[in-house]
Amino acid sequence: AQSVTQPDIHITVSEGASLELRCNYSYGATPYLFWYVQSPGQGLQLLLKYFSGDTLVQGIKGFEAEFKRSQSSFNLRKPSVHWSDAAEYFCAVSSGTYKYIFGTGTRLKVLA
Amino acid sequence: NAGVTQTPKFRILKIGQSMTLQCTQDMNHNYMYWYRQDPGMGLKLIYYSVGAGITDKGEVPNGYNVSRSTTEDFPLRLELAAPSQTSVYFCASSPLEYNSPLHFGNGTRLTVT
Repeated sequence: AQSVTQPDIHITVSEGASLELRCNYSYGATPYLFWYVQSPGQGLQLLLKYFSGDTLVQGIKGFEAEFKRSQSSFNLRKPSVHWSDAAEYFCAVSSGTYKYIFGTGTRLKVLA
Repeated sequence: NAGVTQTPKFRILKIGQSMTLQCTQDMNHNYMYWYRQDPGMGLKLIYYSVGAGITDKGEVPNGYNVSRSTTEDFPLRLELAAPSQTSVYFCASSPLEYNSPLHFGNGTRLTVT
């Protein structure tokens, strides 16, 4: 069965530091992968997506993610975190139909 | 462009009451979804629809019902509310293409006491 694992429930970084949020997936075929961000009291907003091609994808707000098939990973990165990046981040995989499987989320705290 | 609009934002229900969570989208998307979000559990799919008149169960459909009479609207009905239905509910939509990103509403926070 398809699944998505985000091993870090909480991450705390200092403003200006680099960030990497981990995501591992289990899916038999080529996955369609997404990262979403959820600010408090808001819905989920798409940060970036991977369908095929270049394994390093750029998203909004300075985020990027790298697809590594050999490791079944799709980690999200940002070189320098801003206080406004504090939010919850969700990795998701599309199962090739109209259904999406979400990870349990990673809550990011940014220290001033 | 409003996107996906959910009402109400907050609601408190007593056990056994019923209510309808409203969802409407103005992007002419064929696909619509209802998810519930519980702390530490991610999002679980309740129901989804691939077009007007067509709905199907997701992972956690028990205690809920949906209808899709128009492309724009996808209401979620709770009958006989139970404390286990305390959650944040999100409606989402996506266009016709496979694997398109989801567009989410801002959610409805429901408490059943």
